[in-house]
Amino acid sequence: DAKTTQPTSMDCAEGRAANLPCNHSTISGNEYVYWYRQIHSQGPQYIIHGLKNNETNEMASLIITEDRKSSTLILPHATLRDTAVYYCIVRTALRGGSEKLVFGKGTKLTVNP
Amino acid sequence: EPEVTQTPSHQVTQMGQEVILRCVPISNHLYFYWYRQILGQKVEFLVSFYNNEISEKSEIFDDQFSVERPDGSNFTLKIRSTKLEDSAMYFCASSRRGVRETQYFGPGTRLLVL
Repeated sequence: DAKTTQPTSMDCAEGRAANLPCNHSTISGNEYVYWYRQIHSQGPQYIIHGLKNNETNEMASLIITEDRKSSTLILPHATLRDTAVYYCIVRTALRGGSEKLVFGKGTKLTVNP
Repeated sequence: EPEVTQTPSHQVTQMGQEVILRCVPISNHLYFYWYRQILGQKVEFLVSFYNNEISEKSEIFDDQFSVERPDGSNFTLKIRSTKLEDSAMYFCASSRRGVRETQYFGPGTRLLVL
C-alpha cells in the first residue's frame, strides 16, 4: 500500500504559490519520492522527483527534509489549470528490475480565481 | 516531446465480450505497464512487462487478462471475457528502464462494460 500521507484537499489563490506537503516517514535510504498529478480523469502526469536534495524544474520545486521523512511540492505561481489531484509516491521496487507506482488518494488542489 | 498514446479513447462492450486495449509506448522505452482506475477510486497497478515477459502482476491481473507486445511499437491489454466490474479507465505507461526511471502515462482508455 501507499507509504505516503497527504492532506485530502487544499485551496490556493491563482498567482500564489501552492505548497503541497507529503509525509513519508518510513522511506528507506535508496527510495525516491515522485510527484504526479491527474487533471480530471486524464492520465497521471509526471511532475518531479528527488532523493535527498531539493529539485527544481520548469513545473515545480521539490523540497525534501534532511531526514527525508517528508517533502513539499511547490508550484510557484499556481494557475487555474493546476487544479488537479496531486500524488506523492515512494517508488516500490519489484522483481525483475521494474518498479510499480503505488498511488494513494492524493491531494485535491483547487486553484481559485 | 514523445508521448504514450492509447486507442481507443472510449470503448463500450457487452459483458462477456473480449476487448483489446492498445498502447504505443515511447519509442526508446523498454518497460511497459498497465494501470487502471475505477471511477472515484485510486489508480491501481495491474502489470509490468519487459523483454517480452511479465515482470510482475497484481492480484487484479487474473487469467482473464493478458498482455502482449505484438510488434515493435504496440503494447496491448486483452480482457477475455469482460465483467461489469472491469469498467474503468485503463492507463498504459512506459519507462526507459525499470528502476528509478520515470514512468510516462498515456491518456487512458475509458472502458464501459454493460
